[in-house]
Amino acid sequence: AQSVTQLGSHVSVSEGALVLLRCNYSSSVPPYLFWYVQYPNQGLQLLLKYTSAATLVKGINGFEAEFKKSETSFHLTKPSAHMSDAAEYFCAVRGSNYKLTFGKGTLLTVNP
Amino acid sequence: DTAVSQTPKYLVTQMGNDKSIKCEQNLGHDTMYWYKQDSKKFLKIMFSYNNKELIINETVPNRFSPKSPDKAHLNLHINSLELGDSAVYFCASSQSGTAQETQYFGPGTRLLVL
Repeated sequence: AQSVTQLGSHVSVSEGALVLLRCNYSSSVPPYLFWYVQYPNQGLQLLLKYTSAATLVKGINGFEAEFKKSETSFHLTKPSAHMSDAAEYFCAVRGSNYKLTFGKGTLLTVNP
Repeated sequence: DTAVSQTPKYLVTQMGNDKSIKCEQNLGHDTMYWYKQDSKKFLKIMFSYNNKELIINETVPNRFSPKSPDKAHLNLHINSLELGDSAVYFCASSQSGTAQETQYFGPGTRLLVL
């Protein structure tokens, strides 16, 4: 069985500031990890994914995430926030049974 | 050239009615999914089909019945709609056998039961 915990249901940053969205996972098999973004009234868009090829994963829109097995974490970062980054962000883990298990999401607001 | 499409985008209906949501993907994937996103934005898988066969069936009321006429389509029929069925329903697809089997999502169907 697998699970995902996203620390912080709401993160607020100033434009230009560092974005850090936290994700911790639990998985009984080597995990595949994903970050998705959901803009208001839209579907989920894949930001990036970890597939065991490299621990630092770069995604779209300047986001990246680092897989840390010892900490069972896959935190999402972006050096400088833009207003357009305001959205809901979901971390997800896929186990051996095709199922994607999502975290509860983190709402990112960007202040001017 | 939308990869995963859903119809309708919005659906407002009365309690007790029966409704269907359709999903189509043009990515050539062999696996499709239905997810439910509740009012708190929590996403939970409902069903998954691989090559038209049901492979995941979470604890979902019998009023929900998925149907996959072919690999590119997965429809969701809901009988006797209840207030608690109000949610956003997302369809997704992926290709089995790949390392990470990335799931690609449709735009969602916003269902409101009155």
